[in-house]
Amino acid sequence: QKEVEQDPGPLSVPEGAIVSLNCTYSNSAFQYFMWYRQYSRKGPELLMYTYSSGNKEDGRFTAQVDKSSKYISLFIRDSQPSDSATYLCAMRAGGYNKLIFGAGTRLAVHP
Amino acid sequence: DGGITQSPKYLFRKEGQNVTLSCEQNLNHDAMYWYRQDPGQGLRLIYYSQIVNDFQKGDIAEGYSVSREKKESFPLTVTSAQKNPTAFYLCASSRLEQETQYFGPGTRLLVL
Repeated sequence: QKEVEQDPGPLSVPEGAIVSLNCTYSNSAFQYFMWYRQYSRKGPELLMYTYSSGNKEDGRFTAQVDKSSKYISLFIRDSQPSDSATYLCAMRAGGYNKLIFGAGTRLAVHP
Repeated sequence: DGGITQSPKYLFRKEGQNVTLSCEQNLNHDAMYWYRQDPGQGLRLIYYSQIVNDFQKGDIAEGYSVSREKKESFPLTVTSAQKNPTAFYLCASSRLEQETQYFGPGTRLLVL
């Protein structure tokens, strides 16, 4: 079993939809959670970073962490065609630099 | 502009050949990393370095080598021992006290 599970999709939604992207994990020591967005043939760019449980909002993006369920989510409101990309979750335990990545979910937002 | 640069964008390797991928950062980050990305497998850590002249193996170090002679530079050599080198290679860096890593644009390695 992988430490981090992420549905690879692809996920196809119409413009303006609310998108929900999710990851589950098995290591209860994970404390730092990140979402990266990766456009085709480009390097990942950091979207959201959260520590421990709770919600964090940044514009149209909301990251949620539920440590009791070992489940993290990224919500995208009012999705745009420019949001079409692969979204990678990543996480790590405290005091340790190794990031563990999910496989990534491909998202397509069509006009 | 601060950032991470990788070169070349595309690299072709002949069988039995060693090739070197360049990674440079001007973010004054202490830690640097190399990842390999294959379709459907996410990112896998090859090597990382937290300080000049020191580096550690990641999960898939076999067939790869690195050096860290300068804080700004962390080149990766794909040796002939790496039998399946075709992949997208990503370099990243971070401040040791930060938890986030920042990525370069990547190098796509193809085998002729």
